[in-house]
Amino acid sequence: GNSVTQMEGPVTLSEEAFLTINCTYTATGYPSLFWYVQYPGEGLQLLLKATKADDKGSNKGFEATYRKETTSFHLEKGSVQVSDSAVYFCALSETLLTGGGNKLTFGTGTQLKVEL
Amino acid sequence: DAGVIQSPRHEVTEMGQEVTLRCKPISGHNSLFWYRQTMMRGLELLIYFNNNVPIDDSGMPEDRFSAKMPNASFSTLKIQPSEPRDSAVYFCASSPDREEEKLFFGSGTQLSVL
Repeated sequence: GNSVTQMEGPVTLSEEAFLTINCTYTATGYPSLFWYVQYPGEGLQLLLKATKADDKGSNKGFEATYRKETTSFHLEKGSVQVSDSAVYFCALSETLLTGGGNKLTFGTGTQLKVEL
Repeated sequence: DAGVIQSPRHEVTEMGQEVTLRCKPISGHNSLFWYRQTMMRGLELLIYFNNNVPIDDSGMPEDRFSAKMPNASFSTLKIQPSEPRDSAVYFCASSPDREEEKLFFGSGTQLSVL
C-alpha cells in the first residue's frame, strides 16, 4: 500500500537558519503530494501541494519539489523564524476507486523548534 | 466562515464509559474524515464519508468504534466501551469536492480515558 516516510524530529534550528525536512513516499500510480503544518493546540493546515512530477509547491517561504525519480518531496525554507515552530506532515493522496473521493496518507510528522 | 467545528474540545472519562465526539463540517463540503493522532502511531485515518455515506472504514480499530453521518452538517464518532488506549486527539476534517484533496481540519478533541 501507499506510505510516507519522514525524518524523525525534533529538528532544532536557530532563527534564520536553512531548513530541510526530508520526505519520501511509496505509491502506485501518480499521487499528489502535500505538506501540512500543525501549530500547538490546533488542527492541521495545508501548507503547500504539488500534483505532478517536477511541480514545485510554495507558500510562506516554504517550498517542495515533486521528484518522481527519487520518490521524494523534501520541504525547504531559506530562513526560518520562531513562528515557524510547529509539526510538519508530509502526505500523499490516492483516489478511492469505490465511492470516489480522495484519501490522504500522512507521515508521522516532524517537529520543528526554532530558537532565537 | 466558521471552519470545521468539533466538540467537546477536551473529554476525560473513565474506562468502560461511552464517549461521543461530534463534528460539524464546513457548509457545502461533501467529504468528511475522522483521524486519530497519538505519539506512537502519528495521524491515522479512521473513517471517511462522501455525501454522508461511509466509503472507507478500514481504519476503525475495532467494533467498539462506530461513526455516523445522519446529514451533511453533522457527524459523530462513538467509542463504547472506552479503554485507556483510546486516549488520543481525534480530528475531524472536511473537503469541498471529491476531486479536491485539500482538507480543512477542526481543532480536535483531546480524549483521556482513565
